[in-house]
Amino acid sequence: DTEVTQTPKHLVMGMTNKKSLKCEQHMGHRAMYWYKQKAKKPPELMFVYSYEKLSINESVPSRFSPECPNSSLLNLHLHALQPEDSALYLCASSQAAPPSGNTEAFFGQGTRLTVV
Amino acid sequence: KQEVTQIPAALSVPEGENLVLNCSFTDSAIYNLQWFRQDPGKGLTSLLLIQSSQREQTSGRLNASLDKSSGRSTLYIAASQPGDSATYLCAVRNSINAGNNRKLIWGLGTSLAVNP
Repeated sequence: DTEVTQTPKHLVMGMTNKKSLKCEQHMGHRAMYWYKQKAKKPPELMFVYSYEKLSINESVPSRFSPECPNSSLLNLHLHALQPEDSALYLCASSQAAPPSGNTEAFFGQGTRLTVV
Repeated sequence: KQEVTQIPAALSVPEGENLVLNCSFTDSAIYNLQWFRQDPGKGLTSLLLIQSSQREQTSGRLNASLDKSSGRSTLYIAASQPGDSATYLCAVRNSINAGNNRKLIWGLGTSLAVNP
C-alpha cells in the first residue's frame, strides 16, 4: 500500500475563514511534506516534518500553519488566506527525510483550494 | 545551481508507439532522480526512482535510465496506451555534498497525449 490520503478533495473558503487540510499515511513513513502547486507549474515545497518535528519551513507565510499530531497524520491550518493562495495543495510522505535514506516521495491526490 | 529541463514540453502519439521522454540536469552531483505522472487536477504518482549509483529501473512497460556524467535521464514507455496520457515530471535530489539536497528540483514536465 503506497497510499497517501488527503481530505477534503475540494475546499472553497473566504478570506476571513479558518479551515484545515488533512493528510494521512499508513506506510510507516517518518517524513511528511506539504507542497503547493499552481496550474502548469511543478510543486513547490512548503514544509517538511521528520519524526513528527518540523524540519524545514520554506519561508511560508504564517497564515499557513502546519501540525503533525502523530507519525501518520499531517494537518495544514489555514487562516486569513488571499485569493493568490488558491492552488492544489499536495501532501507527500517518504520513509526517511532528506538528506539521506530512502527519500522516495509518495503523493496524495491533493486538495483543490479556492480562496474567494 | 541545479536546473532540470524536460524535452519535449508536449508530445502527441498514436496508440501503440514506443516513446522516450527526456530529462536533463545541470549538476551531476545528484542523490537520486524520480519520475512522476500527474493526471489533470490530480496528485502525483511515483513511477520510478533511480539512485545515483544505479543505471536504470524498470516497472512494467516503463524503463528509466540515468547517465549522471552527461546529466540525463530518459523515461521509455513501451506500447503506449490512451491511459498513459498525463503529464510526466522529473525531479532531482542533489547529493548531500552538493548542497540544497533537502528538496526536490523539478522539471516543468512533458504533457503526453496518446491517441486511440
